[in-house]
Amino acid sequence: QKEVEQNSGPLSVPEGAIASLNCTYSDRVSQSFFWYRQYSGKSPELIMSIYSNGDKEDGRFTAQLNRASQYISLLIRDSKLSDSATYLCVVNMIGGSYIPTFGRGTSLIVHP
Amino acid sequence: GAGVSQSPRYKVAKRGQDVALRCDPISGHVSLFWYQQALGQGPEFLTYFQNEAQLDKSGLPSDRFFAERPEGSVSTLKIQRTQQEDSAVYLCASSPGQGNTIYFGEGSWLTVV
Repeated sequence: QKEVEQNSGPLSVPEGAIASLNCTYSDRVSQSFFWYRQYSGKSPELIMSIYSNGDKEDGRFTAQLNRASQYISLLIRDSKLSDSATYLCVVNMIGGSYIPTFGRGTSLIVHP
Repeated sequence: GAGVSQSPRYKVAKRGQDVALRCDPISGHVSLFWYQQALGQGPEFLTYFQNEAQLDKSGLPSDRFFAERPEGSVSTLKIQRTQQEDSAVYLCASSPGQGNTIYFGEGSWLTVV
């Protein structure tokens, strides 16, 4: 089992809808969690970080962390065409290591 | 500079050739990571430096891969006797310290023919 699991998608949503992206991780003691966005041919860029259980909102983006279930999600409200990209879930502190571990990414397609 | 800088951006190497990929991290960032990203996959960890010390090289796929950061700033990833399966994007990232956000360079696209 991979340490950080994401559904590869693609997830297709209409413009203006809510996109929900999910991620699970294997190590209960993991401490910090990040969502990165990667456009085709570009490098990953940080969207949000989350360290505490619960929700964290930043503009149209909400990250949710549930440590008991070892589950992270990213909600994108009012989806725009420019949100079409691959979203990477990243977890720090897997197996005692501070190496950031990436999921394989979920491809999001926002269509008109 | 303001961000992580990588060079070359694109490299085509003949099979068997040696290549060197350079990473210039954000000034003052202690941690430096190298990742390999194949098409359609997430970045896979290769190696990690804290200052000049290489603390983890468990992700290097073979002894043909070697990385260094002699002065705790610029890092070089060297691949000897390249093979076709080495074709990938090599991403460098830096961070102020353990557990912090990591910031990526634009990547070095390696194609081995």
